[in-house]
Amino acid sequence: DTGVSQDPRHKITKRGQNVTFRCDPISEHNRLYWYRQTLGQGPEFLTYFQNEAQLEKSRLLSDRFSAERPKGSFSTLEIQRTEQGDSAMYLCASSIWTGGRTNEKLFFGSGTQLSVL
Amino acid sequence: SQKIEQNSEALNIQEGKTATLTCNYTNYSPAYLQWYRQDPGRGPVFLLLIRENEKEKRKERLKVTFDTTLKQSLFHITASQPADSATYLCALGGRAGFQKLVFGTGTRLLVSP
Repeated sequence: DTGVSQDPRHKITKRGQNVTFRCDPISEHNRLYWYRQTLGQGPEFLTYFQNEAQLEKSRLLSDRFSAERPKGSFSTLEIQRTEQGDSAMYLCASSIWTGGRTNEKLFFGSGTQLSVL
Repeated sequence: SQKIEQNSEALNIQEGKTATLTCNYTNYSPAYLQWYRQDPGRGPVFLLLIRENEKEKRKERLKVTFDTTLKQSLFHITASQPADSATYLCALGGRAGFQKLVFGTGTRLLVSP
């Protein structure tokens, strides 16, 4: 059973650099979510995709952030011109959406821990 | 604004006792509420889902209640074990037009032998 995979697990970068994270969801899952989590807080929603369509973006997602999910499979999250405030754990999750009321539950990856120096 | 509140202080209990964690929310009417467990450095893991028309759900040593009038969910772990030590997150979602799950800040549970 292959769960949600995220790469890299850790990323250290200097302020102003660009970084890109990758998420491989569970293969049959049509929804993919990105969350951000800082120490002592719960995950904060950033954006989500249904297949390849990006359906919602949080106000937290400034124009320095961009996410893609080409062909509805893996997803990438890019942060341009990183700032120290971007330091956080970036979590990816996937789920099966069948429409209407569902038992939608999220399967999370282990996250990418970003440190901006 | 919408708010989900969980006890920010860690809950310390002895092995064998029942742990009870609270999740309160305001300005929101979720179709369902979920509980997740999170270990340090790992992503959350789904535990239980309870719908708005359900009062109680059980799974092995876990029990969740959901009171939409009080806007509160209680999460119980009976016969707690040191391996239950983790952070427990509640999450609300499922309402049309508000598909994403919104998480609380989590409560850390410490079960001592």
